Amino acid sequence: AQKVTQAQTEISVVEKEDVTLDCVYETRDTTYYLFWYKQPPSGELVFLIRRNSFDEQNEISGRYSWNFQKSTSSFNFTITASQVVDSAVYFCALRETSGSRLTFGEGTQLTVNP
Amino acid sequence: ETGVTQTPRHLVMGMTNKKSLKCEQHLGHNAMYWYKQSAKKPLELMFVYSLEERVENNSVPSRFSPECPNSSHLFLHLHTLQPEDSALYLCASSQDTTPFYGYTFGSGTRLTVV
Repeated sequence: AQKVTQAQTEISVVEKEDVTLDCVYETRDTTYYLFWYKQPPSGELVFLIRRNSFDEQNEISGRYSWNFQKSTSSFNFTITASQVVDSAVYFCALRETSGSRLTFGEGTQLTVNP
Repeated sequence: ETGVTQTPRHLVMGMTNKKSLKCEQHLGHNAMYWYKQSAKKPLELMFVYSLEERVENNSVPSRFSPECPNSSHLFLHLHTLQPEDSALYLCASSQDTTPFYGYTFGSGTRLTVV
């Protein structure tokens, strides 16, 4: 069965610090997709990135970067030089090719203090 | 605005009431979803619709009844709810149910059952 674990329930940092959010997943599929979403206080989940299981190249988008390591079943998310506006709940999610379900982790509440 | 609109944003209802949540998307997507987000728990998939047909039903109590009259609209009819049903109900859509596509989420309806 598929499962996503975000062990960090809450993280608090001071502005301009770098912060890494951990995500570990379990799946029996060889082809799958991983996602990160951001949920600000307004409630909607905002799509950040999709990664398929055959593409282990790390990705950088501005202050965001993602480290996908298939060997350890991890898909970690780093925010560089964090800002107060980054404060939100961040969800990692997994979607297997064998179903229509997007399975989410429990989320990490990130608070960036000025 | 994400392209997925949910109404109402907030709803308070008694256990004997009947109410409906509405979700609307004009993104041309063919799949729509209902998720439940309770405090301290992962997002739970409730229902999946593809081309107006229900394709997945995840052991949801019958007091929740979905309806998808067309590919742009999704409803969740509620009746005789329990206090533990209080949660944020999120609607999402995607191009179709294949795993490649991420979801676009609405802002959710915050439901309180009293």
